[in-house]
Amino acid sequence: GESVGLHLPTLSVQEGDNSIINCAYSNSASDYFIWYKQESGKGPQFIIDIRSNMDKRQGQRVTVLLNKTVKHLSLQIAATQPGDSAVYFCAELAGANSKLTFGKGITLSVRP
Amino acid sequence: DGGITQSPKYLFRKEGQNVTLSCEQNLNHDAMYWYRQDPGQGLRLIYYSQIVNDFQKGDIAEGYSVSREKKESFPLTVTSAQKNPTAFYLCASSIVTGLAGGEQFFGPGTRLTVL
Repeated sequence: GESVGLHLPTLSVQEGDNSIINCAYSNSASDYFIWYKQESGKGPQFIIDIRSNMDKRQGQRVTVLLNKTVKHLSLQIAATQPGDSAVYFCAELAGANSKLTFGKGITLSVRP
Repeated sequence: DGGITQSPKYLFRKEGQNVTLSCEQNLNHDAMYWYRQDPGQGLRLIYYSQIVNDFQKGDIAEGYSVSREKKESFPLTVTSAQKNPTAFYLCASSIVTGLAGGEQFFGPGTRLTVL
């Protein structure tokens, strides 16, 4: 079946270190991927997206890598800050009229 | 400011009562969505609408109903038929559905608790 899943439920990093959040997907037809950040009690916020014709995209302090061979997506956060503490979701979309499928989320905790 | 608003932020309901959650957007988006989020879980799609006067069931539509009479509004009614309604409800919108629509923009959510 089609699913989007995250390898680990929680990730703890030291402030200033880089964070890497991983996501596996099973639908090889997926052609668009998004990373969202959700702070406690709030709605998800868009971080960065990538289309399947790319393997890397950079934003401000964030980089998304897409490996279509192994159906793997990762989010890298440089110089992690306390404000980065949140739940991170990956989401995938396949086809022109399909809907986003969300993973279960991983909690990023930043130690001072 | 453009964005999506949801009201109320917290909602309490007695068992057996219907309740309607509000969602408004001023982004001029055609597509709107309702998701349910349970603790430690991802988002599950309840209903979505591609255009005014149209809506489609998502993955967990049972016990819910929606309407889309105006482009900017997509209210969700949680009916008494929904067996486990306590959850965090999120509304979202995008330019259109699918790949052409890009990312979905989310509202702040409504936390519904059934007493």
